[in-house]
This record gives sequence, structure tokens and C-alpha cells, in this order.
Amino acid sequence: GENVEQHPSTLSVQEGDSAVIKCTYSDSASNYFPWYKQELGKGPQLIIDIRSNVGEKKDQRIAVTLNKTAKHFSLHITETQPEDSAVYFCAARGSSASKIIFGSGTRLSIRP
Amino acid sequence: DTEVTQTPKHLVMGMTNKKSLKCEQHMGHRAMYWYKQKAKKPPELMFVYSYEKLSINESVPSRFSPECPNSSLLNLHLHALQPEDSALYLCASSQDGGAGANVLTFGAGSRLTVL
Repeated sequence: GENVEQHPSTLSVQEGDSAVIKCTYSDSASNYFPWYKQELGKGPQLIIDIRSNVGEKKDQRIAVTLNKTAKHFSLHITETQPEDSAVYFCAARGSSASKIIFGSGTRLSIRP
Repeated sequence: DTEVTQTPKHLVMGMTNKKSLKCEQHMGHRAMYWYKQKAKKPPELMFVYSYEKLSINESVPSRFSPECPNSSLLNLHLHALQPEDSALYLCASSQDGGAGANVLTFGAGSRLTVL
């Protein structure tokens, strides 16, 4: 089945700097890659997603890139702000259309 | 309405108790999910319902029993749980096809403690 690896597990950046989180997946048939943000005491919230027919997608300060050949995808957050502090999960849709498999998570801290 | 509502927010139960977790959505989604999340871990898929029929059971022990009474409601019945079942239980929903398929909307979760 699908396996998603995520790095780093923790990341601390200065406010205003950029943050990058990287993921790899194992199933070459995977075609949907969402990113979720989870704040303390809340459920995960979708922040951006990308499908396999697209190499890059941007939404304001957030961008995701996908390299299908290398089976890598990454989240880029620019001009980080204190409210960006949270746990971020990458995910991939596995062989079953209904299964979303999550990476292990990255705890992002923004230093003032 | 773009929310998934889960009740209760917190539940403490003994190993011999029977309790239920409830989930409700009014977005017209026809796929609903239960995930289990342990502290500092990612959500792990437990069950998927599609059009009120169980489509995926990730080999979950029978002490967890899901139920989908209608397209808006999803329950998780709990019986004879173990302390290691203590976790945050997340409900999610999605459209069952088209561009919105697999775009999960999560509830805030029910935090379960088994004594």
C-alpha cells in the first residue's frame, strides 16, 4: 500500500522567513496530494492540494510543488506569520480511491 | 453549512462501558470517515462509508462498531475498550466523486480516555 514519509519532524523559522516541508510517496499510481494544518485542539484543515497533472500550485503565501518522477512533493510557506505555527501533514491518495494516507507531520514554530 | 460536528468533545469511559461517538454534516457529502489520532501522530484511517454503506474497514477490532444511519450522520459505537484505545477520534466527510472526491473536511474530534 501507499507509504508517505515527511521531513522534518520539527521546524523553527524566524517570522517573515520561508518554511519548506518535504514529502515522498511510494505508490506511483497516487494522483492526489493534500496538505493539512492542525492547530491545538482542532481537527486537520485542508490548506492546499495538488493533483498529479499539475506541477505547482499557489495560494497567496502557500505553494505546493510535485515531482512525479521522483515521487516528491513539498509545501512552501513564504513570509511566515505567528498564526502559521501548527502541525502540518502531507498526504497522498493511495490505491483505493477513498484512502488518504498521511505523513508523520511537521511541527512548525514561528519565532517572533 | 461547511462544518463537521462531533459530539461529545471529551469522553471518559471504563473498560466495561458502552458509549457512542457521533458525527454530523450537512454539506451533502456522501462519503464519511472515522480516523484515530494518537498524540503526536498522524490520523490513521479506521472506516469509510460511501452512500451509507461501509466500503473500507482497516482491520479495526470489533470493539469499535461504526454505523451510518443516514447520509448526514455517522456513529462509532464503543464497547469493551482498552486503555490503549485512548486517542482523538476524528470524523471527516467528502464528496464521493468528481473534483471534490477525497477533499476531506474534518470535525474537531472527540477525545476519548479509557480508564
